[in-house]
Amino acid sequence: DAKTTQPPSMDCAEGRAANLPCNHSTISGNEYVYWYRQIHSQGPQYIIHGLKNNETNEMASLIITEDRKSSTLILPHATLRDTAVYYCIVRVDNYGQNFVFGPGTRLSVLP
Amino acid sequence: KAGVTQTPRYLIKTRGQQVTLSCSPISGHRSVSWYQQTPGQGLQFLFEYFSETQRNKGNFPGRFSGRQFSNSRSEMNVSTLELGDSALYLCASSLDTTEAFFGQGTRLTVV
Repeated sequence: DAKTTQPPSMDCAEGRAANLPCNHSTISGNEYVYWYRQIHSQGPQYIIHGLKNNETNEMASLIITEDRKSSTLILPHATLRDTAVYYCIVRVDNYGQNFVFGPGTRLSVLP
Repeated sequence: KAGVTQTPRYLIKTRGQQVTLSCSPISGHRSVSWYQQTPGQGLQFLFEYFSETQRNKGNFPGRFSGRQFSNSRSEMNVSTLELGDSALYLCASSLDTTEAFFGQGTRLTVV
């Protein structure tokens, strides 16, 4: 699976959009981009995933560049409860749940 | 519906002992995977079971083992505990290959 690079930490004002970048320059054509987050002392929570098209669900939007070498997770209206570590994972969507988690980005939503 | 349930939530063991952790997946989920989370190494994949068969395995020593029962409940066992095995052990279940649902974890302390 391709390696990902994320900033170690970011701040965001409550109510504003949080834009979390992820670099995956060695991604292969059949690899998906997944985002999970982990709120302190809880298990990781699935947010969204995509292959090449932009995706949106009730939690967030995922914007993948045309060359697929990077992506951005957007939380449209960040709340204090969105403070967490956000993990960007790239993997082939074959069978199996062997996700490789990197250090992620620690997002702090500030009042 | 009920989420992933891990028991016990907290555990203290002595070096050299063995420990068994339990995970009950979401009803209908046949895939159960296990992860270890430590401050130094982050989230690391241990193994995954699907329909009572191990189908993926991470890079952990043989002291770490697991099994899955016919009702999809899973256990992991760590023998000859070492201080470095102190960690949060997370279990995740899934219906297919995409979204994994994590439990709250079992925090193991080895003294």
